[in-house]
Amino acid sequence: NAGVTQTPKFQVLKTGQSMTLQCAQDMNHEYMSWYRQDPGMGLRLIHYSVGAGITDQGEVPNGYNVSRSTTEDFPLRLLSAAPSQTSVYFCASSSPREWDETQYFGPGTRLLVL
Amino acid sequence: RKEVEQDPGPFNVPEGATVAFNCTYSNSASQSFFWYRQDCRKEPKLLMSVYSSGNEDGRFTAQLNRASQYISLLIRDSKLSDSATYLCGLVDSWGKLQFGAGTQVVVTP
Repeated sequence: NAGVTQTPKFQVLKTGQSMTLQCAQDMNHEYMSWYRQDPGMGLRLIHYSVGAGITDQGEVPNGYNVSRSTTEDFPLRLLSAAPSQTSVYFCASSSPREWDETQYFGPGTRLLVL
Repeated sequence: RKEVEQDPGPFNVPEGATVAFNCTYSNSASQSFFWYRQDCRKEPKLLMSVYSSGNEDGRFTAQLNRASQYISLLIRDSKLSDSATYLCGLVDSWGKLQFGAGTQVVVTP
């Protein structure tokens, strides 16, 4: 199993550009989430999904869109990049059937918006 | 006020010593609690869940104090490889996982 994979690993954008961060998991997990991590702020939940076709907003959803057309994939779209979106983005997946609710994280995407 | 707060550290610990640190939370309805470990420029990985009765995993001991609303992590016989940032996480009353900003531990020879 590859676990949770994310692409790209690094990205530089100009203000106003759009892009999609890819996330895929091969563990057949129902739950998938996107977090951003900034110094001193910890991990903050952007959007999450409890299954294919179902998404919901987290703590900091503005400026981001998500969709969940399959169990495996959960892309995060930046509509019009802003310098405030410079961050490290982590995708995570988990299964409600696992009693300890372990979140499995991808390796992260480091995004710089100029 | 943040829902989950941690002392950012760093906690500088001599090899072989014991270190302990806490994580406080504001929502008394919070459910499950966890400790995650994050190495520099890597993704977080689950270290251990925290049970009401407290639990041990080798050199690591986690405790939950619901009355005072904090969880703790104690590391005994610290190893150089224990140097990392430790994130506490909890599942809130809406079922969402929230994290603290992390406590940095640096184990020195």
